[in-house]
Amino acid sequence: EAQVTQNPRYLITVTGKKLTVTCSQNMNHEYMSWYRQDPGLGLRQIYYSMNVEVTDKGDVPEGYKVSRKEKRNFPLILESPSPNQTSLYFCASSGGDLYNEQFFGPGTRLTVL
Amino acid sequence: ILNVEQSPQSLHVQEGDSTNFTCSFPSSNFYALHWYRWETAKSPEALFVMTLNGDEKKKGRISATLNTKEGYSYLYIKGSQPEDSATYLCAFAPYNQGGKLIFGQGTELSVKP
Repeated sequence: EAQVTQNPRYLITVTGKKLTVTCSQNMNHEYMSWYRQDPGLGLRQIYYSMNVEVTDKGDVPEGYKVSRKEKRNFPLILESPSPNQTSLYFCASSGGDLYNEQFFGPGTRLTVL
Repeated sequence: ILNVEQSPQSLHVQEGDSTNFTCSFPSSNFYALHWYRWETAKSPEALFVMTLNGDEKKKGRISATLNTKEGYSYLYIKGSQPEDSATYLCAFAPYNQGGKLIFGQGTELSVKP
């Protein structure tokens, strides 16, 4: 089944404790992206990747890192999480570029205490 | 800062009503316009990707139009059903900005039986 998976789905952590949210897709998609969703603010793009080893900042990259060493994986790294990074995070992928629809993962609900 | 506006923010209709919402985006630098449907506790799912001025897309009772010169897109739902209740998101992809995608805040539709 074609899908985007994210792990973990739920995470409660404390300020400053490094964490990684994994994202994997099995559709051989070139494009992958991370978003955060906060009430009243809609989906905001954190980072995106047009292909392996090609990443770029979205609108809200501060406090996050990404890497794209393999086509299928696009992990989101929070080196020193803070409470303002408490949010719902979505990973998405699409074939080619933004002429194509995105497929979203199930979401990761992160709480930073 | 590129801005994408959706109106109305929320809409309550009766089953059988037809409805429409608006997505406004910058009229210059257009590359693509995405529409997604997002049900509570699920992930956003693609409805349409629109790429040309004058584009019209249709999927069942849902259709969309695009005017890139004036910077707006309309989403229409004919004969709304309770299962159409969801948040409808549009997202603007600017030309020459790689994989950047800017979402509007969404229109929340509630259809009462």
